[in-house]
Amino acid sequence: QVQLQESGPGLVKPSETLSLTCTVSGGSVNRGSYYWTWIRQPPGKGLEWIGNIYYSGSTKYNPALKSRLTISVDKSKSQFSLQLTSVTAADTAVYYCAREVRLLNYIDSWGQGALVTVSA
Amino acid sequence: SYELTQPPSVSVSPGQTARITCSGDALPNQYAYWYHQKPGQAPVLAIYKDTERPSGIPERFSGSTSGTTATLTISGVQAEDESDYYCQSADSSGTKVFGGGTKLTVL
Repeated sequence: QVQLQESGPGLVKPSETLSLTCTVSGGSVNRGSYYWTWIRQPPGKGLEWIGNIYYSGSTKYNPALKSRLTISVDKSKSQFSLQLTSVTAADTAVYYCAREVRLLNYIDSWGQGALVTVSA
Repeated sequence: SYELTQPPSVSVSPGQTARITCSGDALPNQYAYWYHQKPGQAPVLAIYKDTERPSGIPERFSGSTSGTTATLTISGVQAEDESDYYCQSADSSGTKVFGGGTKLTVL
């Protein structure tokens, strides 16, 4: 059974870059059956789709975040990563990494979520 | 940007039927998906491709669509169904979007 685990700093200063990594175990990111996805949820608010990456490196981004966002994949480490630049307090959220089944377009596995707070 | 609209809250008594709607202009051409989320937990898929129910989801959960509105129906609501529910779909470019979420309260 695949497991996903987010890792990275829990506190980021305004204007700096938020970086998170998702480690995939019990499965491989080097499979064409899945998209590897980031989703966030500000405290007390709803879910926001951030973007995803295919094993080939092809990405899709939320247009509202696209200018600040980079999602990458490291197949050798079975990891994919998120970088969000120029963060503000509005980027404070629980960040989830997830696996989306490509042909069915639903998310079947989630990480436990990582709270990232943007504050000086 | 593309948006999906859900009611902020729905309340029903145990045993009644709960209907949660999701409106979006692209829904006639894009599938709707439904997730439920309990506090402090990751979301769980409840319905995919408008009407399909994953294994492990009770039969009282069903999905339907009509025009620009998708509906999640929970028949014979139980106390354990109290949760936040999110619809999700995509625009024509494949960019995904979630609705704002609906809090289901079981009275």
